[in-house]
Amino acid sequence: ELKVEQNPLFLSMQEGKNYTIYCNYSTTSDRLYWYRQDPGKSLESLFVLLSNGAVKQEGRLMASLDTKARLSTLHITAAVHDLSATYFCAVDKAAGNKLTFGGGTRVLVKP
Amino acid sequence: DVKVTQSSRYLVKRTGEKVFLECVQDMDHENMFWYRQDPGLGLRLIYFSYDVKMKEKGDIPEGYSVSREKKERFSLILESASTNQTSMYLCASSSLLDRADYGYTFGSGTRLTVV
Repeated sequence: ELKVEQNPLFLSMQEGKNYTIYCNYSTTSDRLYWYRQDPGKSLESLFVLLSNGAVKQEGRLMASLDTKARLSTLHITAAVHDLSATYFCAVDKAAGNKLTFGGGTRVLVKP
Repeated sequence: DVKVTQSSRYLVKRTGEKVFLECVQDMDHENMFWYRQDPGLGLRLIYFSYDVKMKEKGDIPEGYSVSREKKERFSLILESASTNQTSMYLCASSSLLDRADYGYTFGSGTRLTVV
């Protein structure tokens, strides 16, 4: 059974500082996805990482994938209040086409 | 833009009622999914479908059924609603062909309260 674990579960950030969210998964999988969710809202796709060593960046967010370590990281550079949200990683099951989600990391950026 | 539309944003139903949650996507995606999201439990897959009239159980199918009569529409049915089915329900779709670019697109969610 594919399991996806994120840590930390909660991250209190100071504006202007850098932080990292970690996502570990248990078995070989095709792709890794990062989503953002604002309170009461649906999931917004941030990144799709397709292969070992993949790195994608959008604004202050950068995601990377190490398939050998079964680890993805979401790095936040110079945090700003607008980045406050819950971030989820998710992984495809190799044999199917189903997303398995991590538990989410709730991010709160304080001035 | 890929759009996944869920018919209701908020629903309040009584225990024992039969409840239908509707989801429509407009990008000819083959795959459609229903998840529920609960605090502390994350997102869990209820059912999914790879094609019209096809369905497969996810991780928590008990108490639910689904219907996919047309490619664009995937309905989640609560046969007899119970209070433990109070949750946020999220529909998603994806394409076998375009997964690398689009990934999965989620609807805006239906917050169901069973009283």
